[in-house]
Order: sequence, then C-alpha cells, then structure tokens
Amino acid sequence: KAGVTQTPRYLIKTRGQQVTLSCSPISGHRSVSWYQQTPGQGLQFLFEYFSETQRNKGNFPGRFSGRQFSNSRSEMNVSTLELGDSALYLCASSLSSTSEMETQYFGPGTRLLVL
Amino acid sequence: GQQLNQSPQSMFIQEGEDVSMNCTSSSIFNTWLWYKQDPGEGPVLLIALYKAGELTSNGRLTAQFGITRKDSFLNISASIPSDVGIYFCAGNSGGSNYKLTFGKGTLLTVNP
Repeated sequence: KAGVTQTPRYLIKTRGQQVTLSCSPISGHRSVSWYQQTPGQGLQFLFEYFSETQRNKGNFPGRFSGRQFSNSRSEMNVSTLELGDSALYLCASSLSSTSEMETQYFGPGTRLLVL
Repeated sequence: GQQLNQSPQSMFIQEGEDVSMNCTSSSIFNTWLWYKQDPGEGPVLLIALYKAGELTSNGRLTAQFGITRKDSFLNISASIPSDVGIYFCAGNSGGSNYKLTFGKGTLLTVNP
C-alpha cells in the first residue's frame, strides 16, 4: 500500500505570491491533516479535513486555507506569502479520526522557501 | 494552548548505549505517540500509547504512557548508528477532532 504522497517536494516562491500544495492520503484514509514545521516553532497543526469538510483548525491566519476533494486528496493554499512562511509543510492521513485509537501517518513534506 | 515539554533537546551517545527521553504536559492527553524524523523526510510513527500506565515495546524501543496522563517516556536500548534522527513526542487530547500537539523534538546523535 502506497504511503502519503505530497507534491511538489520543493518549492521556491517570492513574497506576495501564493502557493498550492497537494497531498494524497493512504488509500482508504479519509482524514487529512496539515502541519507546518519550522526550526523555531517545531510542528504546528494547521487544519484537518474529513469528508471534504474542515473539522479542526489551528491558530494560523486566514492566509492559510485548505480543501479536500471527494477522493480524499487535499490541497492547502497560502496566499500573500511572507518570509516567515518558509517551512516544511507536512500532510498526515488517518482512516477517519473518529477514534482515539487511530494514528496519523505522515508524508515526506513539501519544503517551501519564500524569498 | 496545550504545550509539550520534551527533553533533552539533544543527545550525543556512543553506539551500544541506552537512551531515554521524555515529554511532559500541563494538560491531560488521551493518546501519546512517538515519531522519528530523518532529514528531509516526514515523521515516522514508532510507538502509539492509548492507556494510562501502558508500557509498549517495538524492538529496541520501549515507551510508557504516564499514570497521570501528562507524561510519557521513550527508551532506546543498545543504540546503533541508524538511530540517529529527531524524535518527537505527540499527544492527542481526545474527541472526534484529531489534532496532534508535538514536542520540540530530541536530536539524537550516535557515535559509531
């Protein structure tokens, strides 16, 4: 079974631009979560989607948004990029996240550099 | 918000030594997870703990879910060079909305 895949793996943008990152969960997994990882702040939760609906949201500004498609694939978008948005963006999937017994499996991440 | 304090921040050990790292929280978690992250990759799940007091092993790794539900530790026995990486603890406070809170990580270096 293939793992979580994320595209692209690397991305360079300039301030003010916008970016869209893509995540394909493990087959059969319906919940997708996004995290931002930086050296200073560590891993921080962005949002979680299940059945095309955002179920949970972290403390990030409205410039960060996401969506999920009917096949469970998810995208996240960052508008008006700032230098501080440079980070590794990680996607994680789980079956349904309705049970505390479920665990999340991470993709390799997309490394975004904002110049 | 919830915070996890993970220690130590880094460790430099000799091959064959045992390692211990831990996480503490100011609030209760219903699930504790331990992940390992290699450079340029996403975190890989090592051990999941679901019940207070639970002690679980995965090969040379052993982790425990603290009785108070506010702490967890991870032990690695007889370390080998491929154990090098960053180890993260993560907790989930429960409910249908799945949101992991992560510690800042422990960087482990193993000297052959």
